Amino acid sequence: GGIITQTPKFLIGQEGQKLTLKCQQNFNHDTMYWYRQDSGKGLRLIYYSITENDLQKGDLSEGYDASREKKSSFSLTVTSAQKNEMAVFLCASSTGLGGRDEQYFGPGTRLTVL
Amino acid sequence: AQKVTQTQTSISVMEKTTVTMDCVYETQDSSYFLFWYKQTASGEIVFLIRQDSYKKENATVGHYSLNFQKPKSSIGLIITATQIEDSAVYFCAMREGNNNNAPRFGAGTKLTVKP
Repeated sequence: GGIITQTPKFLIGQEGQKLTLKCQQNFNHDTMYWYRQDSGKGLRLIYYSITENDLQKGDLSEGYDASREKKSSFSLTVTSAQKNEMAVFLCASSTGLGGRDEQYFGPGTRLTVL
Repeated sequence: AQKVTQTQTSISVMEKTTVTMDCVYETQDSSYFLFWYKQTASGEIVFLIRQDSYKKENATVGHYSLNFQKPKSSIGLIITATQIEDSAVYFCAMREGNNNNAPRFGAGTKLTVKP
């Protein structure tokens, strides 16, 4: 078994601030993902990474940067936080892009922008 | 581009009954994989069941099964003998079969199971 850890659990920022969210997994999975979930909504793909140092843009990448410097970690940066923004950012991992592999999700980072 | 649609926002059923949640998808690929996930009230998301597009048999895991209707691009999740603890939000997801893709999710269906 394994676990995905996301830090921080709660993140409060100011408008225009640059904010970084971190994700660590010990599954030894190749692929990692960042999704955004707005209240009562589905998951929208921000970035994903097939392997260390790889980055692929998702459907919602504008306003975000990502970094995969190690196989076990994947960071997401909100480049300029938007006022009144509230969402949960979910990190996930899977064994690879074989297609049929299920994803394992972290507990999320809840972002509030004042 | 791939797209996943869940039109049922919420469903309420009595305990021990059977419920079906709908999901339709769009893809240009001939090979793809369909997933259902459950998000509990605590926010935890867990994988439930998968259907491979090339398989004709409907997948079954425990009291979860799928109704895969390929000509209709539909993958329904069926939960039999529902329990209170099945109350959650259920997400359908699809991943296209080529190697540079990531799963996309539907908006989710909130299931409430009443005693």
